Amino acid sequence: DAMVIQNPRYQVTQFGKPVTLSCSQTLNHNVMYWYQQKSSQAPKLLFHYYDKDFNNEADTPDNFQSRRPNTSFCFLDIRSPGLGDAAMYLCATSRYGSSTDTQYFGPGTRLTVL
Amino acid sequence: AQTVTQSQPEMSVQEAETVTLSCTYDTSESDYYLFWYKQPPSRQMILVIRQEAYKQQNATENRFSVNFQKAAKSFSLKISDSQLGDAAMYFCAYRGAGSYQLTFGKGTKLSVIP
Repeated sequence: DAMVIQNPRYQVTQFGKPVTLSCSQTLNHNVMYWYQQKSSQAPKLLFHYYDKDFNNEADTPDNFQSRRPNTSFCFLDIRSPGLGDAAMYLCATSRYGSSTDTQYFGPGTRLTVL
Repeated sequence: AQTVTQSQPEMSVQEAETVTLSCTYDTSESDYYLFWYKQPPSRQMILVIRQEAYKQQNATENRFSVNFQKAAKSFSLKISDSQLGDAAMYFCAYRGAGSYQLTFGKGTKLSVIP
């Protein structure tokens, strides 16, 4: 089945140690998103790619970066994780411009910062 | 800016009964989409139902239906014949027709009582 895949599902890192989260999709969608979701809160959009065009939300900290080497893959890099960055990170995809332009979410990566 | 309000942080329903989750939104746009997403505990966020603002007919997906009142900017979700598997956090979300960004409400936690 076509889907959005995130690896790893659980990630533990140390304070200040860079970490990379991965997202891949088999939907051939042109937009990929990264969200941060803290406990019992709504997802908060960090940034998104429309094809290769990167769009950063104004309040996303510089500590968060992203790469999209091709249509299928997108990475979230956290350069120096702090305790406040512990959260669930959700990847989502959509096909902008289609009649069914709906975001589909991956299962998420739960990040723990020690 | 658009806002989405879910006024019920928590709700409960007896198994096999019907429950309605409320959502209101504020926008100056005339063309937009509304969504209900379901996020079970520690599980993936999935799309429950989607409504295009230009459609007067309320969307329905099996046991899930919406009551879309465009003038009142209201978009409630009705779950009929509630099942234990319906227990989850439900998020109402808005997206303008020309936008990538989803605006989420804060969510309603639904419990299903056997």
